[in-house]
Amino acid sequence: DSGVTQTPKHLITATGQRVTLRCSPRSGDLSVYWYQQSLDQGLQFLIQYYNGEERAKGNILERFSAQQFPDLHSELNLSSLELGDSALYFCASSVEPMNTEAFFGQGTRLTVV
Amino acid sequence: SQQGEEDPQALSIQEGENATMNCSYKTSINNLQWYRQNSGRGLVHLILIRSNEREKHSGRLRVTLDTSKKSSSLLITASRAADTASYFCATSRLKDGGGADGLTFGKGTHLIIQP
Repeated sequence: DSGVTQTPKHLITATGQRVTLRCSPRSGDLSVYWYQQSLDQGLQFLIQYYNGEERAKGNILERFSAQQFPDLHSELNLSSLELGDSALYFCASSVEPMNTEAFFGQGTRLTVV
Repeated sequence: SQQGEEDPQALSIQEGENATMNCSYKTSINNLQWYRQNSGRGLVHLILIRSNEREKHSGRLRVTLDTSKKSSSLLITASRAADTASYFCATSRLKDGGGADGLTFGKGTHLIIQP
């Protein structure tokens, strides 16, 4: 158990809908990362937060947004969902953004039908 | 786009043999990390090597880093069936103005250990 909790584990929704994925980082970790993993694109970095502020942005679509709350949990919002958004979404956390290992949650498997 | 690229894409060896995976990256980095992923599960951190280090060991794992060639290798010695997994290298790219981008991953090497 990495200590990172992601909910829900599975999500099935229709095209055009909006979903929210939630992540609770490891106790004491200030940095949260979001990743999307699909067969064709591999593991894509989406966005990183550190202590509530956006720190780095990757290949995140405009339809997607995220935030980190004062209690350090994070949410990833996916809207106007398309079939191609079906993927595993991982959250990871680390003590600081650059020099330490990241701990991954078990992921949320999103299926868009 | 991927910062790191692992090679080979897939590797199948007999239990007890050594497995070597390579990673190449494109830009200056702060550190390089290796992770393992069992099918459909979260990634597990294996080892971190800083840009000023050349070699690091952890149990049956040995990682090397050559910043002049922008490459790293992961060696797993005396492989076991439980080592069957996908292995990813990840880098944190240094930004010009300071700081670093988020941790970016390659596409991974799928390692199969035949019993």
